[in-house]
Amino acid sequence: GAGVSQSPSNKVTEKGKDVELRCDPISGHTALYWYRQSLGQGLEFLIYFQGNSAPDKSGLPSDRFSAERTGGSVSTLTIQRTQQEDSAVYLCASSRPVDSPLHFGNGTRLTVT
Amino acid sequence: GIQVEQSPPDLILQEGANSTLRCNFSDSVNNLQWFHQNPWGQLINLFYIPSGTKQNGRLSATTVATERYSLLYISSSQTTDSGVYSCAVAETSGSRLTFGEGTQLTVNP
Repeated sequence: GAGVSQSPSNKVTEKGKDVELRCDPISGHTALYWYRQSLGQGLEFLIYFQGNSAPDKSGLPSDRFSAERTGGSVSTLTIQRTQQEDSAVYLCASSRPVDSPLHFGNGTRLTVT
Repeated sequence: GIQVEQSPPDLILQEGANSTLRCNFSDSVNNLQWFHQNPWGQLINLFYIPSGTKQNGRLSATTVATERYSLLYISSSQTTDSGVYSCAVAETSGSRLTFGEGTQLTVNP
């Protein structure tokens, strides 16, 4: 596609449920990032994939969060046993091999009730 | 990790005014980017500028890597320029991009 695609655009879930958020990066982009943005706050880094290298998971806030990237393309961010503090917009971004402009998707707005 | 500070946190302008936004960072970087987040939350890349100066229409940016800061200039501001302007940096090639808290810009007609 022309841009980074994220789905769903909105997700409402009950506390304690698991959720999966999907990101389709721009074709040919080998770098993929996940960020989280709470209301009125800056972007918080979660995880970074670069080609076949081991991902940088240093931003994941707890072991309830995990992410994978299959075939160097599509990525899924999974949050297990969701908590109300997980409510935020989850943003995915991709770029060509490092040190090139980053392009963001429109995000998934997650609300945990 | 690297620290990123942006100033001012908030800025209100009248349409047609010029402005300068600043991004300071705590360590050497080899990747610096400026983004605009519109009121609907969409993030648009404005500049990839680890050093030097670039211009795109009414916007320009300068990064002085040796002094650890970058500036974003907006000239003849328009109401559509409103939103949050964020700076993001990475210390070394292939490392994660860290964002500042952003500057909230409001341009009034």
